Amino acid sequence: DAGVIQSPRHEVTEMGQEVTLRCKPISGHNSLFWYRQTMMRGLELLIYFNNNVPIDDSGMPEDRFSAKMPNASFSTLKIQPSEPRDSAVYFCASTSLGTAVFYGYTFGSGTRLTVV
Amino acid sequence: AQSVTQLGSHVSVSEGALVLLRCNYSSSVPPYLFWYVQYPNQGLQLLLKYTTGATLVKGINGFEAEFKKSETSFHLTKPSAHMSDAAEYFCAVSDTGGYQKVTFGTGTKLQVIP
Repeated sequence: DAGVIQSPRHEVTEMGQEVTLRCKPISGHNSLFWYRQTMMRGLELLIYFNNNVPIDDSGMPEDRFSAKMPNASFSTLKIQPSEPRDSAVYFCASTSLGTAVFYGYTFGSGTRLTVV
Repeated sequence: AQSVTQLGSHVSVSEGALVLLRCNYSSSVPPYLFWYVQYPNQGLQLLLKYTTGATLVKGINGFEAEFKKSETSFHLTKPSAHMSDAAEYFCAVSDTGGYQKVTFGTGTKLQVIP
């Protein structure tokens, strides 16, 4: 398996522009998580999906952030409009829930977002 | 609500010395516990996990951790540090039911001195 795949690896954009981050989870995993990592706040859970349905989006910082999971193999995190304080590394992780053993999360390599 | 506390945001050890990274957890139910490692410019990689059974858990790269319920601890150890162990380490906890949401600690950066 290729693991959790995120794109792009790096994104530099101007303030006010729309940014879309993409994630392909591991085939067969039924849950997907979006995290943000910064020096100041560490790892923050933004939103997670189970069977393509958003379960908890209480970590989404503002209405400028939105996430979708149209099918089991793809998810997007969109920021519109972007601001410099959104600069961070965004991680996607996936796992299988509801099985006899919980193996923890598998993380992607992340997208480093810089908003100038 | 569950949480983890990692003692020490930075730890330095000499190459060949014992590595000890401390983690204490808080959970109202029996927890699942994890250690993840993050190398520069990479995602988090699972080192080891405790779910049930044996309280001493062995992971990759020679690391191990012991679940001590009485102390609510899950400290990570390695007998002899290697230069390649320099990274950031995250302790994490999840409950054993529902959506098993994982809560991460703030991380400990390990420096290995030659």
